[in-house]
Amino acid sequence: QKEVEQDPGPLSVPEGAIVSLNCTYSNSAFQYFMWYRQYSRKGPELLMYTYSSGNKEDGRFTAQVDKSSKYISLFIRDSQPSDSATYLCAMTAGGGNKLTFGTGTQLKVEL
Amino acid sequence: NAGVTQTPKFQVLKTGQSMTLQCAQDMNHEYMSWYRQDPGMGLRLIHYSVGAGITDQGEVPNGYNVSRSTTEDFPLRLLSAAPSQTSVYFCASSQIIFNSPLHFGNGTRLTVT
Repeated sequence: QKEVEQDPGPLSVPEGAIVSLNCTYSNSAFQYFMWYRQYSRKGPELLMYTYSSGNKEDGRFTAQVDKSSKYISLFIRDSQPSDSATYLCAMTAGGGNKLTFGTGTQLKVEL
Repeated sequence: NAGVTQTPKFQVLKTGQSMTLQCAQDMNHEYMSWYRQDPGMGLRLIHYSVGAGITDQGEVPNGYNVSRSTTEDFPLRLLSAAPSQTSVYFCASSQIIFNSPLHFGNGTRLTVT
């Protein structure tokens, strides 16, 4: 069993929809959680960074962490075609640089 | 404003050949790392370095060598390529401070036949 599980999709939504992307994990030591966005044929780029449980909002993006359920989510409000990408969750125990990644969810936002 | 630069972008090798994937960063980052990305497997850490002269193994180091002679460069060597090493390789760097984000290059797509 992988330490981090993520539904690969693809997920297709209409423009303006609210998107929910999720990851589950098994290692209770994970405390720092990230979401990366990866456009086709590009490297991942950091989107959101959260510590422990709770919510963090940045514009149209909200990251949510539920450590009791070992479950993290990324919500995208008013989704745009430019949000079409693969979204990877990542996490680490000590806040350092060695991250454990999910496999990524491919999102397509259609006009 | 180059960030992390990887060369080449594409490469085809025959089984048994060797090659070096290049990675350079211009952000003065102490930490550099190599990942491979495969369908259904996500990004997996191959090797990493916390500074010039210091390297360590990640999750999937077999078949790969690294060295770090300067802060800027972190090449990845495939000693004897195998079809199982067909993948997209990403180099990433960051500062060694708490919560510093990883900056990724745009990858090298390697096919081993």
